[in-house]
Amino acid sequence: QKEVEQDPGPLSVPEGAIVSLNCTYSNSAFQYFMWYRQYSRKGPELLMYTYSSGNKEDGRFTAQVDKSSKYISLFIRDSQPSDSATYLCAMKAGGYNKLIFGAGTRLAVHP
Amino acid sequence: ETGVTQSPTHLIKTRGQQVTLRCSSQSGHNTVSWYQQALGQGPQFIFQYYREEENGRGNFPPRFSGLQFPNYSSELNVNALELDDSALYLCASSFNDQPQHFGDGTRLSIL
Repeated sequence: QKEVEQDPGPLSVPEGAIVSLNCTYSNSAFQYFMWYRQYSRKGPELLMYTYSSGNKEDGRFTAQVDKSSKYISLFIRDSQPSDSATYLCAMKAGGYNKLIFGAGTRLAVHP
Repeated sequence: ETGVTQSPTHLIKTRGQQVTLRCSSQSGHNTVSWYQQALGQGPQFIFQYYREEENGRGNFPPRFSGLQFPNYSSELNVNALELDDSALYLCASSFNDQPQHFGDGTRLSIL
């Protein structure tokens, strides 16, 4: 079993839809949770960074962490065609520890 | 502020050869991590360097080695290349244990 599970999709939604992306994990030592966006032929771009449980909002993006269920989510409101990319969840235990990534979910937002 | 830059962008090698990939960290960052991303997968941690010392290593054989220089730039060296080494190699930099920011990677193809 992988430490981090993420549905690879692809997920196809119409412009303006609310998108929900999710990851589950098995390691209870994870404390820091991130979402990265990766466009084709580009490196991952940090979208959200959260510590422990709770919600964090940044513009159209909301990240949720539920440590009791070992479940994290990223919501995208009013999705745009420019949001079409692969979304990677990542997490780590404290300090200088390595990032553990999910496999990524491919999202396509069509006009 | 200059982001993380990697060179070369694309490289073609044959089995058994050796390769060196380079990374310039983002201004103000002192920690560099290297990841391997196979097609359709999330990045996998290779190793991390902090103040020119290796500071953690993933499940990769010793033929994967690295260096960090006093200006915090870094190199990834891979000896005795195998077909399975074909992947996108990503460098990420951070200040201490803060969020990691990625370059656009070097795409390595092994023939």
